[in-house]
Amino acid sequence: SYVLTQPPSVSVAPGQTARLTCGGNNIGIKSVHWYQQKPGQAPVLVVYDDSDRPSGIPERFSGSKSGNTATLTISRVEAGDEADYYCQVWDSRSDHYVFGTGTKVTVL
Amino acid sequence: QVQLVQSGAELKKPGAPVRVSCKASGYTFTAYYIHWVRQAPGQGLEWMGFINPNSGGTKYVQKFQGRVTMTRDTSVSTAYMELDTLRSDDTAVFYCARAGGGYTFFDFWGQGTLVTVSS
Repeated sequence: SYVLTQPPSVSVAPGQTARLTCGGNNIGIKSVHWYQQKPGQAPVLVVYDDSDRPSGIPERFSGSKSGNTATLTISRVEAGDEADYYCQVWDSRSDHYVFGTGTKVTVL
Repeated sequence: QVQLVQSGAELKKPGAPVRVSCKASGYTFTAYYIHWVRQAPGQGLEWMGFINPNSGGTKYVQKFQGRVTMTRDTSVSTAYMELDTLRSDDTAVFYCARAGGGYTFFDFWGQGTLVTVSS
């Protein structure tokens, strides 16, 4: 089955930039989506189709992809960005939806 | 505005079934697939499958095949997920989510339903 790998944790100081990675085989040919999940809450879509933002999501959240790695970049990090972040793709081979292992972002 | 409102928390004994509902509003219910996602305590997100509210067609992850049934009632814009023969390791929050746009991502989520399996 298809696997998406994320680092377990990232720490960042307020005002700095956080870069969260998501690796997977041939991820370059898949559309990658990102979700933010705060404790006790449902996930929220923050980036879809690699780099598009839903309405209401700040421009500080941006997505990109290079080779076998997708990246969610959070610029000018705020305390309210502290959360778990998951990447997700649809694997056409299996017709399954796959989530990454998740990255916990800690704001120092 | 689009909303998915799920049923309340459940406490079940091992071996019992559970049914979680997901009521949709603010859009045409039959136009978007509804997916179900499980999250065990302290763990990540796990996709379980989906239902096409228009046709009733379903797809389940092999892991849950034979134990999960997803249905819908279009008259009340509600999707249901029933999980049978519960085990203690089924204790989790279950989310419904709408598949958006190109149907490869989830643009709106329910608030989650905690299912606790304990004797």
